[in-house]
Amino acid sequence: KQEVTQIPAALSVPEGENLVLNCSFTDSAIYNLQWFRQDPGKGLTSLLLIQSSQREQTSGRLNASLDKSSGRSTLYIAASQPGDSATYLCAVASGTYKYIFGTGTRLKVLA
Amino acid sequence: GAVVSQHPSRVICKSGTSVKIECRSLDFQATTMFWYRQFPKQSLMLMATSNEGSKATYEQGVEKDKFLINHASLTLSTLTVTSAHPEDSSFYICSANREPYEQYFGPGTRLTVT
Repeated sequence: KQEVTQIPAALSVPEGENLVLNCSFTDSAIYNLQWFRQDPGKGLTSLLLIQSSQREQTSGRLNASLDKSSGRSTLYIAASQPGDSATYLCAVASGTYKYIFGTGTRLKVLA
Repeated sequence: GAVVSQHPSRVICKSGTSVKIECRSLDFQATTMFWYRQFPKQSLMLMATSNEGSKATYEQGVEKDKFLINHASLTLSTLTVTSAHPEDSSFYICSANREPYEQYFGPGTRLTVT
C-alpha cells in the first residue's frame, strides 16, 4: 500500500530564504508525482507535475525533483515571499491513476 | 488547461438529510473520476474511484451505502451523502482523469451538517 510522507509538517521562514520541502513514498512504481498548493479553505492549485521518466520540473521560482529509486521528491522554492504561505501537498499516482496524497507541509513566510 | 467544476461550492444541511455533489469535466471526457475527502488541517483521503458505466470502487473504510457515487456520463460524476451527520462535515474534492495520465481537480465542496 502506497504511503506518502512529507517533512517538515510545518515551516516558518523569513522572506527571501530559499527552502526545500521533502516528500517520500514507499512504492516506487509510480506514474507521476505532483506538487500542489492549497490556501486555507480553498481547493488545490497544481504547481508542478513530474512524470515517472523525468528527473525534475521547473516553473518560475519553483523546482521539483524526483528520485524514484529512493522514493523521494523535493520541492525547492527560491527567494520565498509572504504570498508563498500555504500548505504544500505532494501526491503520487500509481496503479489505477488514483492519487495518494502526502501529509502536507504548512509554510509560513514572514515579511 | 482542462477544467473540472463542482457544484455546489458550499452546502449546509440538517442532520439526517441527503446531499448531492456534482463533479463535471467541462472540456474533456473522463472515464474515471475520483472523490476525496479532507478534514480540517488534514490531507486529502481518497474515498472512491468513479467509473463511467460501472460501479464505483470504494477505498477501505468508506461506506458505499452512505456515499453513493454515480458516473452517469463521460463528463459527470455525482456523490450523494445519505443521511448526513455532523461527522460527515468535510471538504469534498473530485478529480477527473484525462487520458493517459493527466488528472485535474475540482475546486471542492464544503459540506456542513448541522
